[in-house]
Amino acid sequence: DAKTTQPNSMESNEEEPVHLPCNHSTISGTDYIHWYRQLPSQGPEYVIHGLTSNVNNRMASLAIAEDRKSSTLILHRATLRDAAVYYCILRDRETIQGGSEKLVFGKGTKLTVNP
Amino acid sequence: EAQVTQNPRYLITVTGKKLTVTCSQNMNHEYMSWYRQDPGLGLRQIYYSMNVEVTDKGDVPEGYKVSRKEKRNFPLILESPSPNQTSLYFCASSLRGRGTEAFFGQGTRLTVV
Repeated sequence: DAKTTQPNSMESNEEEPVHLPCNHSTISGTDYIHWYRQLPSQGPEYVIHGLTSNVNNRMASLAIAEDRKSSTLILHRATLRDAAVYYCILRDRETIQGGSEKLVFGKGTKLTVNP
Repeated sequence: EAQVTQNPRYLITVTGKKLTVTCSQNMNHEYMSWYRQDPGLGLRQIYYSMNVEVTDKGDVPEGYKVSRKEKRNFPLILESPSPNQTSLYFCASSLRGRGTEAFFGQGTRLTVV
């Protein structure tokens, strides 16, 4: 599985935007970029995913660099409930179609949101 | 509401006493899997199942068994638990072959003494 690099921790203030970076310089053409988060004492939760184009959903936006070697998860207005560990994960489309749905979690970025 | 339900949430047991952690999903997902989460090691996959009666080992299967007799249920069985299986366990499910979102349970914190 291709590797991702994220900062260990980031801090934000409530109601401000948060940009969480992820580097994936060895990404292949068939890798999707997925983001999950894990709130304290809970299981991981899907946030968003994309392949080449920027993506938006009710939770966040995903901005993907033109060369796809990095991406940024954007929380438009952080709330205290957004304090979590955020994981950037690459998923190979060919591996998925071959049957393996395994998610490979790295260490992620621990986001602290200050009131 | 779409959900993955694990039971129990917390369990303390003694070495060697067989236990089962149940997992059930209500989304008709083909794919289900078990992960364990340990400090410094992150989440690692234990076993997975692509459909009923189809299971396979993940990265850390030693000491665990699973079964998939029904689509909605995927129990994790520890035949003879040992202290190194003290961990936080998560069950997950997703549609097979789509690469879409996986749904995780709330977790089971297991302590083996």
